[in-house]
Amino acid sequence: EVQLLESGGGLVQPGGSLRLSCAASGFTFNNFAMTWVREAPGKRPEWVSAIGGNGDSTYYADSVKGRFTISRDNSKNILYLQMNSLRAEDTAVYYCAKDGGALRFYFDNWGRGTLVTVSS
Amino acid sequence: DIQMTQSPSTLSASVGDRVTITCRASQSISIWLAWYQQRPGKAPKLLIYKASTLGSGVPSRFSGSGSGTEFTLTISSLQPDDFATYYCQQYTSYCTFGPGTKVDIK
Repeated sequence: EVQLLESGGGLVQPGGSLRLSCAASGFTFNNFAMTWVREAPGKRPEWVSAIGGNGDSTYYADSVKGRFTISRDNSKNILYLQMNSLRAEDTAVYYCAKDGGALRFYFDNWGRGTLVTVSS
Repeated sequence: DIQMTQSPSTLSASVGDRVTITCRASQSISIWLAWYQQRPGKAPKLLIYKASTLGSGVPSRFSGSGSGTEFTLTISSLQPDDFATYYCQQYTSYCTFGPGTKVDIK
């Protein structure tokens, strides 16, 4: 059974940083691209960033480009999202999701999410 | 950027009803469309990908159709577990989600 467990969310001041982690199990981690999707209160889900199975290919939404960095440790089956220069509009539940394959950009398994709140 | 719209935004229905939700893309996305179900406080769950392919473990009362710019999700006989919000998502150019359709109890 695929399991994805996010951690690292919390309250941070504008301009601050946070690193999210997603521990994966139940599948061959390095065979699949992984993604972060966020959902602000009352809004539709928004794709944030994706990374290929071997970590060489990374992609970002324009709203986070230059501020967020996605990475993965295939030896530990963990996905990361380093978030810098955080803004109020980054407040959301952040989900990690397993790609349907190699950067197909649909997502067949999701974690439960971790809440990030950016506020002074 | 590809924009996604859905109709209706809210749909009131009863158990056993046939329900249809429409999703439109601002330009052709071929068949690169997925549908998700989201219950309150939970993560989205994949129902359908490639416009009409059922996700693993998804009941056969769910079906998808369409290509190009217009797509539909149909629930043939609404069950109590199906009262939720449904999102379409294009994945021909990164990905974009639609605004959602909330299915509630009539």
